[in-house]
Amino acid sequence: DGGITQSPKYLFRKEGQNVTLSCEQNLNHDAMYWYRQDPGQGLRLIYYSQIVNDFQKGDIAEGYSVSREKKESFPLTVTSAQKNPTAFYLCASRVNGVTDTQYFGPGTRLTVL
Amino acid sequence: AQSVAQPEDQVNVAEGNPLTVKCTYSVSGNPYLFWYVQYPNRGLQFLLKYITGDNLVKGSYGFEAEFNKSQTSFHLKKPSALVSDSALYFCAVREINNAGNMLTFGGGTRLMVKP
Repeated sequence: DGGITQSPKYLFRKEGQNVTLSCEQNLNHDAMYWYRQDPGQGLRLIYYSQIVNDFQKGDIAEGYSVSREKKESFPLTVTSAQKNPTAFYLCASRVNGVTDTQYFGPGTRLTVL
Repeated sequence: AQSVAQPEDQVNVAEGNPLTVKCTYSVSGNPYLFWYVQYPNRGLQFLLKYITGDNLVKGSYGFEAEFNKSQTSFHLKKPSALVSDSALYFCAVREINNAGNMLTFGGGTRLMVKP
């Protein structure tokens, strides 16, 4: 996990509220990613960003939004439009070389009450 | 399109025995292949990757994986399992020409090593 921090570790939200998950990295990585993990399932890509001020939708972007104003930060907002937001959210980053590895943060568990 | 299959939801092995966690993939070109491990309520930790060259790749904690192009497989192996190896293992693939350098993950295999 070293070098990539996610906060908070646990987050509770009431239905209808927006909530923002933080992801910060001090690895000087170019690209950053957000994934969602549901119990017993693999990871699904929400959004990714390869450079500052640019980001692309992944497979399940509906109900989520992101920004990339700084190289080290890639916050994810879970909006009230996301129908089933309870999940484990993972942030990752990598250098932009074609063979480079994605490294993951420790995750944020979001629960909607 | 790229995809990954991990055919076993769970693998049970006795401590000290060899272990294999299976992974098959589908890509339209050449693949980059990765294995990650996840402990409860933690992020994914990188174990090893295949980019090119030797088909047998060695990684962290004594794990290795063998790339088999004809069988489109990338099985994870360890000669002697430890109880501490019990965790969730993910295989991932990326096509070399994937413009976004995006990974596609398998559904995960839970490894249970019993004393």
